[in-house]
Amino acid sequence: ETGVTQSPTHLIKTRGQQVTLRCSSQSGHNTVSWYQQALGQGPQFIFQYYREEENGRGNFPPRFSGLQFPNYSSELNVNALELDDSALYLCASRTGNGRHTGELFFGEGSRLTVL
Amino acid sequence: EDQVTQSPEALRLQEGESSSLNCSYTVSGLRGLFWYRQDPGKGPEFLFTLYSAGEEKEKERLKATLTKKESFLHITAPKPEDSATYLCAVQGGSEKLVFGKGTKLTVNP
Repeated sequence: ETGVTQSPTHLIKTRGQQVTLRCSSQSGHNTVSWYQQALGQGPQFIFQYYREEENGRGNFPPRFSGLQFPNYSSELNVNALELDDSALYLCASRTGNGRHTGELFFGEGSRLTVL
Repeated sequence: EDQVTQSPEALRLQEGESSSLNCSYTVSGLRGLFWYRQDPGKGPEFLFTLYSAGEEKEKERLKATLTKKESFLHITAPKPEDSATYLCAVQGGSEKLVFGKGTKLTVNP
Protein backbone atom coordinates (compact mmCIF):
# COMPACT_ATOMS: atom_id res chain seq x y z
CA GLU A 1 0.00 0.00 0.00
CA THR A 2 1.47 3.36 -1.08
CA GLY A 3 1.17 6.21 1.40
CA VAL A 4 0.66 9.92 0.72
CA THR A 5 3.52 11.39 -1.29
CA GLN A 6 4.28 15.08 -1.77
CA SER A 7 6.60 17.00 -4.06
CA PRO A 8 8.80 18.91 -3.94
CA THR A 9 10.09 18.31 -0.40
CA HIS A 10 11.82 21.69 -0.17
CA LEU A 11 11.69 24.84 -2.26
CA ILE A 12 12.72 28.49 -2.06
CA LYS A 13 10.79 31.29 -3.75
CA THR A 14 10.85 35.08 -3.67
CA ARG A 15 8.01 37.43 -2.78
CA GLY A 16 5.46 37.83 -5.56
CA GLN A 17 6.25 34.52 -7.25
CA GLN A 18 3.82 31.64 -7.67
CA VAL A 19 4.23 28.04 -6.48
CA THR A 20 2.55 24.69 -7.19
CA LEU A 21 2.76 21.83 -4.71
CA ARG A 22 1.72 18.29 -5.61
CA CYS A 23 0.23 15.40 -3.68
CA SER A 24 -0.58 11.77 -4.48
CA SER A 25 -3.15 10.38 -2.11
CA GLN A 26 -2.98 6.99 -0.43
CA SER A 27 -4.35 4.12 -2.49
CA GLY A 28 -8.13 3.85 -2.08
CA HIS A 29 -8.55 7.38 -0.66
CA ASN A 30 -10.77 9.84 -2.56
CA THR A 31 -10.66 12.86 -0.24
CA VAL A 32 -7.66 15.17 -0.01
CA SER A 33 -7.09 18.11 2.32
CA TRP A 34 -4.27 20.63 2.62
CA TYR A 35 -2.89 22.16 5.79
CA GLN A 36 -0.33 24.90 6.46
CA GLN A 37 1.98 24.46 9.45
CA ALA A 38 4.10 27.42 10.48
CA LEU A 39 7.11 26.80 12.71
CA GLY A 40 6.06 25.97 16.27
CA GLN A 41 2.35 25.93 15.37
CA GLY A 42 -0.24 23.27 14.74
CA PRO A 43 -1.48 22.60 11.20
CA GLN A 44 -4.12 25.03 9.86
CA PHE A 45 -6.80 23.85 7.42
CA ILE A 46 -6.59 25.40 3.95
CA PHE A 47 -9.19 23.40 1.97
CA GLN A 48 -10.47 19.95 1.13
CA TYR A 49 -11.39 18.22 -2.15
CA TYR A 50 -13.81 15.35 -2.63
CA ARG A 51 -14.46 13.90 -6.09
CA GLU A 52 -12.68 16.85 -7.74
CA GLU A 53 -14.83 19.49 -5.97
CA GLU A 54 -13.77 21.79 -3.13
CA ASN A 55 -16.07 20.95 -0.19
CA GLY A 56 -14.50 22.92 2.64
CA ARG A 57 -12.24 25.94 3.02
CA GLY A 58 -10.43 27.58 5.93
CA ASN A 59 -9.54 31.24 6.46
CA PHE A 60 -7.12 31.58 3.57
CA PRO A 61 -7.30 34.22 0.81
CA PRO A 62 -8.28 33.37 -2.79
CA ARG A 63 -4.62 33.37 -3.88
CA PHE A 64 -4.55 29.90 -2.30
CA SER A 65 -6.25 27.60 -4.80
CA GLY A 66 -6.30 23.91 -5.56
CA LEU A 67 -7.27 21.10 -7.85
CA GLN A 68 -8.09 17.43 -7.52
CA PHE A 69 -7.67 15.14 -10.50
CA PRO A 70 -9.68 12.02 -11.52
CA ASN A 71 -6.99 9.79 -9.97
CA TYR A 72 -7.52 11.72 -6.68
CA SER A 73 -4.10 13.36 -6.76
CA SER A 74 -4.12 17.05 -5.92
CA GLU A 75 -2.32 20.37 -6.37
CA LEU A 76 -2.04 23.42 -4.15
CA ASN A 77 -1.29 26.69 -5.93
CA VAL A 78 -0.25 29.88 -4.16
CA ASN A 79 -0.04 33.13 -6.11
CA ALA A 80 1.67 36.39 -5.17
CA LEU A 81 3.76 34.78 -2.44
CA GLU A 82 4.27 36.69 0.80
CA LEU A 83 6.94 36.21 3.47
CA ASP A 84 4.31 34.80 5.88
CA ASP A 85 3.59 31.98 3.43
CA SER A 86 6.84 30.34 4.55
CA ALA A 87 5.70 27.09 6.18
CA LEU A 88 5.39 23.33 5.89
CA TYR A 89 2.49 22.46 3.58
CA LEU A 90 0.89 19.15 4.44
CA CYS A 91 -1.37 17.05 2.27
CA ALA A 92 -3.65 14.48 3.91
CA SER A 93 -5.97 11.89 2.45
CA ARG A 94 -8.75 9.66 3.73
CA THR A 95 -11.61 7.55 2.50
CA GLY A 96 -14.91 9.31 1.62
CA ASN A 97 -17.49 10.25 4.18
CA GLY A 98 -18.66 8.52 7.31
CA ARG A 99 -17.73 8.48 10.94
CA HIS A 100 -13.94 8.39 10.63
CA THR A 101 -13.52 11.67 8.74
CA GLY A 102 -10.88 12.98 11.13
CA GLU A 103 -8.53 10.03 10.73
CA LEU A 104 -6.17 11.55 8.20
CA PHE A 105 -3.09 10.09 6.58
CA PHE A 106 -0.51 12.83 6.09
CA GLY A 107 2.39 13.12 3.71
CA GLU A 108 5.78 14.36 4.88
CA GLY A 109 5.08 17.85 3.58
CA SER A 110 6.62 20.44 1.31
CA ARG A 111 8.79 23.00 3.10
CA LEU A 112 8.35 26.40 1.40
CA THR A 113 10.66 29.31 2.16
CA VAL A 114 9.75 32.75 0.78
CA LEU A 115 12.57 35.32 0.66
CA GLU B 1 -15.05 29.46 16.77
CA ASP B 2 -13.58 26.06 17.58
CA GLN B 3 -10.42 26.24 19.71
CA VAL B 4 -7.82 23.83 21.09
CA THR B 5 -5.25 24.63 23.78
CA GLN B 6 -2.54 22.14 24.69
CA SER B 7 -0.37 22.13 27.81
CA PRO B 8 2.40 22.04 28.65
CA GLU B 9 4.16 23.38 25.54
CA ALA B 10 7.16 21.19 26.31
CA LEU B 11 7.71 18.30 28.70
CA ARG B 12 10.95 16.58 29.55
CA LEU B 13 10.79 13.14 31.25
CA GLN B 14 13.22 10.50 32.33
CA GLU B 15 12.74 7.05 30.82
CA GLY B 16 10.07 5.25 32.87
CA GLU B 17 8.64 8.46 34.38
CA SER B 18 4.89 8.49 33.63
CA SER B 19 3.01 11.74 32.93
CA SER B 20 0.01 13.27 31.14
CA LEU B 21 -0.53 15.80 28.36
CA ASN B 22 -3.59 18.03 28.40
CA CYS B 23 -5.85 19.20 25.57
CA SER B 24 -8.61 21.71 26.41
CA TYR B 25 -11.17 22.42 23.70
CA THR B 26 -14.26 24.40 22.78
CA VAL B 27 -16.25 23.21 19.79
CA SER B 28 -19.78 23.41 18.45
CA GLY B 29 -21.09 19.87 18.13
CA LEU B 30 -18.08 17.62 18.68
CA ARG B 31 -17.82 15.02 15.93
CA GLY B 32 -14.48 13.75 17.18
CA LEU B 33 -11.30 14.53 19.10
CA PHE B 34 -8.07 13.25 17.59
CA TRP B 35 -4.51 12.70 18.80
CA TYR B 36 -1.60 12.72 16.38
CA ARG B 37 2.14 12.24 16.81
CA GLN B 38 4.58 14.31 14.76
CA ASP B 39 8.30 13.60 14.48
CA PRO B 40 10.66 16.41 13.36
CA GLY B 41 10.44 17.07 9.62
CA LYS B 42 7.57 14.59 9.18
CA GLY B 43 3.82 14.78 8.75
CA PRO B 44 1.51 13.97 11.69
CA GLU B 45 0.72 10.30 12.33
CA PHE B 46 -2.78 9.38 13.53
CA LEU B 47 -3.00 7.81 17.00
CA PHE B 48 -6.56 7.90 18.41
CA THR B 49 -10.12 9.08 17.85
CA LEU B 50 -12.44 9.80 20.80
CA TYR B 51 -16.12 10.54 20.15
CA SER B 52 -17.86 11.05 23.49
CA ALA B 53 -17.14 11.92 27.11
CA GLY B 54 -15.99 8.94 29.15
CA GLU B 55 -14.42 7.19 26.19
CA GLU B 56 -10.87 5.80 26.50
CA LYS B 57 -8.45 4.34 23.93
CA GLU B 58 -5.10 2.61 24.50
CA LYS B 59 -2.12 1.81 22.33
CA GLU B 60 1.08 0.42 23.83
CA ARG B 61 2.26 2.99 26.44
CA LEU B 62 -0.35 5.61 25.45
CA LYS B 63 -3.86 6.03 26.77
CA ALA B 64 -6.25 8.80 25.68
CA THR B 65 -9.29 9.91 27.69
CA LEU B 66 -12.06 12.42 27.01
CA THR B 67 -14.34 14.65 29.10
CA LYS B 68 -16.76 17.34 27.90
CA LYS B 69 -14.05 20.01 28.07
CA GLU B 70 -10.69 18.30 27.78
CA SER B 71 -8.73 15.25 26.79
CA PHE B 72 -5.65 13.71 28.36
CA LEU B 73 -2.92 11.66 26.78
CA HIS B 74 -1.36 9.52 29.49
CA ILE B 75 2.09 8.12 28.85
CA THR B 76 3.08 5.18 31.05
CA ALA B 77 6.77 4.26 31.50
CA PRO B 78 7.86 6.21 28.41
CA LYS B 79 10.87 5.26 26.31
CA PRO B 80 13.19 7.58 24.32
CA GLU B 81 11.42 6.54 21.11
CA ASP B 82 8.24 8.18 22.46
CA SER B 83 9.94 11.56 22.02
CA ALA B 84 7.88 13.61 19.54
CA THR B 85 5.37 16.45 19.35
CA TYR B 86 1.86 15.30 20.24
CA LEU B 87 -0.96 17.18 18.53
CA CYS B 88 -4.60 17.30 19.58
CA ALA B 89 -7.35 18.23 17.10
CA VAL B 90 -11.14 18.56 17.14
CA GLN B 91 -13.74 18.32 14.41
CA GLY B 92 -17.01 20.16 14.81
CA GLY B 93 -19.66 20.85 12.21
CA SER B 94 -17.39 21.24 9.20
CA GLU B 95 -14.81 19.18 7.34
CA LYS B 96 -11.79 20.82 8.92
CA LEU B 97 -9.76 19.68 11.88
CA VAL B 98 -8.71 22.42 14.31
CA PHE B 99 -5.31 21.62 15.82
CA GLY B 100 -3.60 22.82 18.95
CA LYS B 101 0.02 23.93 18.91
CA GLY B 102 1.18 20.63 20.32
CA THR B 103 3.23 19.40 23.28
CA LYS B 104 6.88 18.61 22.56
CA LEU B 105 7.81 15.54 24.60
CA THR B 106 11.43 14.61 25.24
CA VAL B 107 12.22 11.33 27.02
CA ASN B 108 15.80 11.02 28.25
CA PRO B 109 17.42 7.58 28.66
